[in-house]
Amino acid sequence: QKEVEQDPGPLSVPEGAIVSLNCTYSNSAFQYFMWYRQYSRKGPELLMYTYSSGNKEDGRFTAQVDKSSKYISLFIRDSQPSDSATYLCAAKTGNQFYFGTGTSLTVIP
Amino acid sequence: DTGVSQNPRHKITKRGQNVTFRCDPISEHNRLYWYRQTLGQGPEFLTYFQNEAQLEKSRLLSDRFSAERPKGSFSTLEIQRTEQGDSAMYLCASTRTGTDEKLFFGSGTQLSVL
Repeated sequence: QKEVEQDPGPLSVPEGAIVSLNCTYSNSAFQYFMWYRQYSRKGPELLMYTYSSGNKEDGRFTAQVDKSSKYISLFIRDSQPSDSATYLCAAKTGNQFYFGTGTSLTVIP
Repeated sequence: DTGVSQNPRHKITKRGQNVTFRCDPISEHNRLYWYRQTLGQGPEFLTYFQNEAQLEKSRLLSDRFSAERPKGSFSTLEIQRTEQGDSAMYLCASTRTGTDEKLFFGSGTQLSVL
C-alpha cells in the first residue's frame, strides 16, 4: 500500500465548474500536506501548503485536510482551461515527502 | 529568487553510456532532493542532501546511480551504464530547514535511453 493514494482520473469538466480532487493517506505521522500542479513535461509547481487539519484558501483554490479520516482535498472554483494539468497531492513527515500518483484534469472551454 | 534550475532539459543517450545531470537549488536552500518520475506516476525519492552531506538514499536505488553536492550548492546526479528502464524525468527540488520547509521543484531533465 502506498503512503499516499490518489485516483489518477482522468477528470474532465466544463469551464466554470467546481473541481474536487482527493487523496487518502495511511501514515498518522504526516503533519504537512501539499498540492502541486504539473503541466506536461514540466516540474511540479507548489500550489497549496497546509499544516495539520483545517482549510486553507488561496484565490480560486481551497485545500482541506481531515486528519481524523486521513483525507486530503483540493477544490478549484470557477475552473479555467489553464487549470488543465496533473495535480499531485503530497504529505511530509520528518525530512521525507510522499507523493500521490497525480490526477489528470482537463477543463473544456 | 531564480528558482531551481536543472540542466540539461533533455538528454538522449544510448544504452550503456554514462550521463550526468546538474541541479542548482534556490540560493538559500540547504536541503536538496533528487526524484525520478515516470509517466502516470508521482515523484519517486532517490536521495537527499543537507548542505554537502548525503543523508539518505533510496534502498531501491541501483548502485549505478550516484549523486554529489560538493560545496553544498549545486548537485550532480550520475547514472552509469544506462539501461532503457532508466528512461524517466529526473527532478531536483530544494528547501530550507528551520522555515516552513516548502519544497520547490525544478523543471526536470527528461532522459531517454535508446
